[in-house]
Amino acid sequence: NAGVTQTPKFQVLKTGQSMTLQCAQDMNHEYMSWYRQDPGMGLRLIHYSVGAGITDQGEVPNGYNVSRSTTEDFPLRLLSAAPSQTSVYFCATSRFSGTYGYTFGSGTRLTVV
Amino acid sequence: KNEVEQSPQNLTAQEGEFITINCSYSVGISALHWLQQHPGGGIVSLFMLSSGKKKHGRLIATINIQEKHSSLHITASHPRDSAVYICAVAYSGNTPLVFGKGTRLSVIA
Repeated sequence: NAGVTQTPKFQVLKTGQSMTLQCAQDMNHEYMSWYRQDPGMGLRLIHYSVGAGITDQGEVPNGYNVSRSTTEDFPLRLLSAAPSQTSVYFCATSRFSGTYGYTFGSGTRLTVV
Repeated sequence: KNEVEQSPQNLTAQEGEFITINCSYSVGISALHWLQQHPGGGIVSLFMLSSGKKKHGRLIATINIQEKHSSLHITASHPRDSAVYICAVAYSGNTPLVFGKGTRLSVIA
């Protein structure tokens, strides 16, 4: 089992470009989420999903879009990249949310220039 | 706003010392998580607890629901324990975790 697979690991974008960060899991977890991690800020929730076809916004959703067409995949789209989106992004999954253990992807380090 | 506070923010210890990291939260929770992140690395779940105490190797996590407080203890610390330790809480069964800002631990040989 691969667990949670995040791609790419590193990415440099120019301001205004768009891209998709991929998150795939093979654990049949219903709950999937995207976080960004910035120095001194801790992990902040961008979007989450409690199952296929259901998504909701987190603390910092602006500039990001998600969809959940299958249980396995939860891509995060940057619509028009901005330098403020330079960060490390983590995908995290759980059987259901907070009362079950979490599994994190290895992270994507994104730089927007 | 529901907040999760960790202390200390930074901690330096000598190898072999007993280490305590604290986490407090403002309202009732359904579960509390402790996570570990090594420098430049991914995030690993250490414990999830809703009451009492859990132990895994040299790591011990405790929670006091009445006082809204949890502690992570490391016995006989080792340089490989150097990492950021993150506390996160779930306020109900199907809501996202709320994270503390982490405690950066450095263990010196």
